Amino acid sequence: GDSVTQMEGPVTLSEEAFLTINCTYTATGYPSLFWYVQYPGEGLQLLLKATKADDKGSNKGFEATYRKETTSFHLEKGSVQVSDSAVYFCALSDRDRGSNYKLTFGKGTLLTVNP
Amino acid sequence: NAGVTQTPKFQVLKTGQSMTLQCAQDMNHNSMYWYRQDPGMGLRLIYYSASEGTTDKGEVPNGYNVSRLNKREFSLRLESAAPSQTSVYFCASSWTETLNEQFFGPGTRLTVL
Repeated sequence: GDSVTQMEGPVTLSEEAFLTINCTYTATGYPSLFWYVQYPGEGLQLLLKATKADDKGSNKGFEATYRKETTSFHLEKGSVQVSDSAVYFCALSDRDRGSNYKLTFGKGTLLTVNP
Repeated sequence: NAGVTQTPKFQVLKTGQSMTLQCAQDMNHNSMYWYRQDPGMGLRLIYYSASEGTTDKGEVPNGYNVSRLNKREFSLRLESAAPSQTSVYFCASSWTETLNEQFFGPGTRLTVL
């Protein structure tokens, strides 16, 4: 079945540092890929997405490129802020055997940014 | 627009008690979902409803039932709560089930003693 593996946290950075959170996936079909962010005490929000190979999703200074050859969708940001402290989830959307689309999530990576 | 709302925000149950978690969305979305979030496990799909009048099992449906009351509302019922159901429950909705962004509610934190 489909699965998503993302780097385990927690990740602690200083403000203005460079961020990379690794994400790799396995899927039987041609999935769409997502990064969701969860701020403390809140539900998940879509951060960015990519629907086909070589697409780059971007939002709020975050970027991720859909790499089919390495089955990866790594999240990057050039200069993190304290307000970026949150849990980040990588996810894929693919058809299951019943032709229904499902979101499969990674386990999440906690990011803490210190001033 | 309130988006996706969930009630209650917090609940404590004793083993064997029953309860219903409520979810409503005002975005006219067709598809709705229930997830549970456990530490180190990410989110796991319990049940979903691709459209009004249909429901299907997800990855972890045992011990739960759902009702798609109408297009707006999708409830999750625990008939006989167990400590293993202690979790944070999230409802989500999307325009369709195909590749579209899912919008999440704020969650219900449930503790079963």
